[in-house]
Amino acid sequence: DQQVKQNSPSLSVQEGRISILNCDYTNSMFDYFLWYKKYPAEGPTFLISISSIKDKNEDGRFTVFLNKSAKHLSLHIVPSQPGDSAVYFCAASALSYGQNFVFGPGTRLSVLP
Amino acid sequence: NAGVTQTPKFRVLKTGQSMTLLCAQDMNHEYMYWYRQDPGMGLRLIHYSVGEGTTAKGEVPDGYNVSRLKKQNFLLGLESAAPSQTSVYFCASSFQTGRVPEAFFGQGTRLTVV
Repeated sequence: DQQVKQNSPSLSVQEGRISILNCDYTNSMFDYFLWYKKYPAEGPTFLISISSIKDKNEDGRFTVFLNKSAKHLSLHIVPSQPGDSAVYFCAASALSYGQNFVFGPGTRLSVLP
Repeated sequence: NAGVTQTPKFRVLKTGQSMTLLCAQDMNHEYMYWYRQDPGMGLRLIHYSVGEGTTAKGEVPDGYNVSRLKKQNFLLGLESAAPSQTSVYFCASSFQTGRVPEAFFGQGTRLTVV
């Protein structure tokens, strides 16, 4: 049973509009969350993170929201650009797991010109 | 600054053959990891190391062995490859801190077992 779920395998958005990628988790012990972006034939690269003591973290065009009661986080990209087209992985960890992350299956984002 | 380097990038093995994947990092990171990525499964942790000379099992360790003889290198071995081990393998590294930092990933190794 997956502890971190990304229920949308793919998402298409028009350039300039907002992209919203969702992630749900089942383990209430998770207290740190990250988003990674992955281009084809490359390794994942870190995008943005959020600790459970916050409900929002912004970095330029990227904002991550955390709803602990719903065990849900989302990544907002505004405005979306064609270069944002990639697979986005949500990852979660708990202090009791040390530095080991549990990854979701990923969402493929396509930003259309 | 090369970051995390994996060799080889591609490999085809016959069932029963053995091979070693090499991961090297030049960031002086304490933690190193081996993941596999399969369609619809995300990245799953195979083994990890919290420092030179130490290794530990992750979520899917069966059929793999690892060694961390030098701080900058983390080797993943397949003693007798099986078709189920066809996957893309990623190595990653991170600093040891009191809180969880992000990991830096290599470019991946695409392994096919026929």
